[in-house]
Amino acid sequence: GESVGLHLPTLSVQEGDNSIINCAYSNSASDYFIWYKQESGKGPQFIIDIRSNMDKRQGQRVTVLLNKTVKHLSLQIAATQPGDSAVYFCAEKKSNDYKLSFGAGTTVTVRA
Amino acid sequence: GAVVSQHPSRVICKSGTSVKIECRSLDFQATTMFWYRQFPKKSLMLMATSNEGSKATYEQGVEKDKFLINHASLTLSTLTVTSAHPEDSSFYICSASPPGVEAFFGQGTRLTVV
Repeated sequence: GESVGLHLPTLSVQEGDNSIINCAYSNSASDYFIWYKQESGKGPQFIIDIRSNMDKRQGQRVTVLLNKTVKHLSLQIAATQPGDSAVYFCAEKKSNDYKLSFGAGTTVTVRA
Repeated sequence: GAVVSQHPSRVICKSGTSVKIECRSLDFQATTMFWYRQFPKKSLMLMATSNEGSKATYEQGVEKDKFLINHASLTLSTLTVTSAHPEDSSFYICSASPPGVEAFFGQGTRLTVV
């Protein structure tokens, strides 16, 4: 599978491989983290979230990992499909605040 | 899941005119909505927090007289770009959250000022 050790703006993945997208967040007081998928010309779409008292959460084909020590968040996509091609953003917030702070996005391109 | 509807999806206007963008929460009430601006290949930048029944809260550097926000009901917030200029061309996105749930985003509005 393809992986990214540091945040990179683009990721090219072979269809069927696993993808790992990384994000560094800035606010140690944030206690809620979300991954969004944004397709071209559309608004962001919720993928999965995780609270700061967890270090891993799994969804359908996706897993989010949280490392609070180094303020690092990652999204793993299993068996990447063409429909996964999009820009992926991480976002952070405090649980008592609606305001989201977005990280730089990663453009994922799936090769057939 | 909850639905946030944004209208129009695309708008082209002449310099000097004003454009209104609507953001509606279709199946929940939202006392707070957010407006973002997104430049090509960039992340979402929060412009302002729209508060039902009170004034919007603008982020630093955002001109409140240029970007007028009205949140007249629990399901509708509007963003009006006044006296638009080509540099206001951008992708504008709104969001709202049902209580205790993650934010849902509108489809976005592509504004082109010519």
